[in-house]
Amino acid sequence: GDSVTQMEGPVTLSEEAFLTINCTYTATGYPSLFWYVQYPGEGLQLLLKATKADDKGSNKGFEATYRKETTSFHLEKGSVQVSDSAVYFCALSDRSGSARQLTFGSGTQLTVLP
Amino acid sequence: NAGVTQTPKFQVLKTGQSMTLQCAQDMNHNSMYWYRQDPGMGLRLIYYSASEGTTDKGEVPNGYNVSRLNKREFSLRLESAAPSQTSVYFCASADRESSQPQHFGDGTRLSIL
Repeated sequence: GDSVTQMEGPVTLSEEAFLTINCTYTATGYPSLFWYVQYPGEGLQLLLKATKADDKGSNKGFEATYRKETTSFHLEKGSVQVSDSAVYFCALSDRSGSARQLTFGSGTQLTVLP
Repeated sequence: NAGVTQTPKFQVLKTGQSMTLQCAQDMNHNSMYWYRQDPGMGLRLIYYSASEGTTDKGEVPNGYNVSRLNKREFSLRLESAAPSQTSVYFCASADRESSQPQHFGDGTRLSIL
């Protein structure tokens, strides 16, 4: 079945550092890919998405490119802020986007220090 | 503020007790979902409702029942709570079935003793 593998956390960075959180996937079809963010004590929020190969999703300075050849969707940000401290989840859904096929990675805790 | 509202935020139950978790959204979304989140794991889908009057099982439905009371409300019921159901539960919504969940509630932290 489909699966998502994220880099193990926690990740601790200093403010203005470059961020990369790795995400790779296994899927039988052509999934859509997502990054969600969960701030402390809150529910998940959709951060960005990409629906086909070579698409780049971007939001709030974060970017991720759908790489079909490496089955990856790594999250990057050029200069992190303390307010970016949160848990980040990579997820995929199949072509139809049905809720039953939305698969999440285990999450990566990011802490940004001032 | 518009969004997904869950009640209660915290609950402790004894094994065998029953409980209903409430969820309401005010965005006129068609689809609603219940997930559970366990340490070191991503969210797992329990049940979802593509539209008012319909519900369907997700990945981990055993031990749960749901009701889509109307377009706004989607409740999750534990008939006989078990320690394995200790988790954080999230309700979510999407404007249509083909969309991924767009808005999540703040979660209900449930402990079963």
